[in-house]
Amino acid sequence: ILNVEQSPQSLHVQEGDSTNFTCSFPSSNFYALHWYRWETAKSPEALFVMTLNGDEKKKGRISATLNTKEGYSYLYIKGSQPEDSATYLCASVSDAGKSTFGDGTTLTVKP
Amino acid sequence: GAVVSQHPSRVICKSGTSVKIECRSLDFQATTMFWYRQFPKQSLMLMATSNEGSKATYEQGVEKDKFLINHASLTLSTLTVTSAHPEDSSFYICSAPRQGVNSPLHFGNGTRLTVT
Repeated sequence: ILNVEQSPQSLHVQEGDSTNFTCSFPSSNFYALHWYRWETAKSPEALFVMTLNGDEKKKGRISATLNTKEGYSYLYIKGSQPEDSATYLCASVSDAGKSTFGDGTTLTVKP
Repeated sequence: GAVVSQHPSRVICKSGTSVKIECRSLDFQATTMFWYRQFPKQSLMLMATSNEGSKATYEQGVEKDKFLINHASLTLSTLTVTSAHPEDSSFYICSAPRQGVNSPLHFGNGTRLTVT
């Protein structure tokens, strides 16, 4: 993998559904993996900072896992709510501090 | 509340003119700021790293004479798009790490530039 890739590009779910997205990144020169939530008309906000292989982070109904050996991270949302609708970005951070972003996954939660 | 303020949020200019975009850190000192550009349906692409008191570091393919970056204080970085052309129309967004260069980024709200 040469770039940061996210899938799916977009996702439409019903309120109450659980969902997950994938972020794939190059294993070389890896320092950290950041997840952001970007709501319409707002600026991206950091959700998680992950650095160690096997890391699991949780914030309310949202959680994330990290596998640095195979170069992927999963973001899970349990019991999606309309307010979870946003674009979720992941960024691979190099040891020089540069963040390389994926294209994002746009989640729409229908009430 | 916002910790990084970016202005203007939207600007329309004529081809050949220059446009300045300001990015301010509101409650922390930012020795480093990052400028990104986003084309429709694409990811945030790093243009340059702005360093307080020194020259900016530009990514490959980004013209430093076209995208002038000034980081004269610990709370302000500016991006000037010089002699703008329609192909410069894009979404520009600045960001800064609050605690060390590898910490998560705080973003401005972005600037939508349209060059006619």
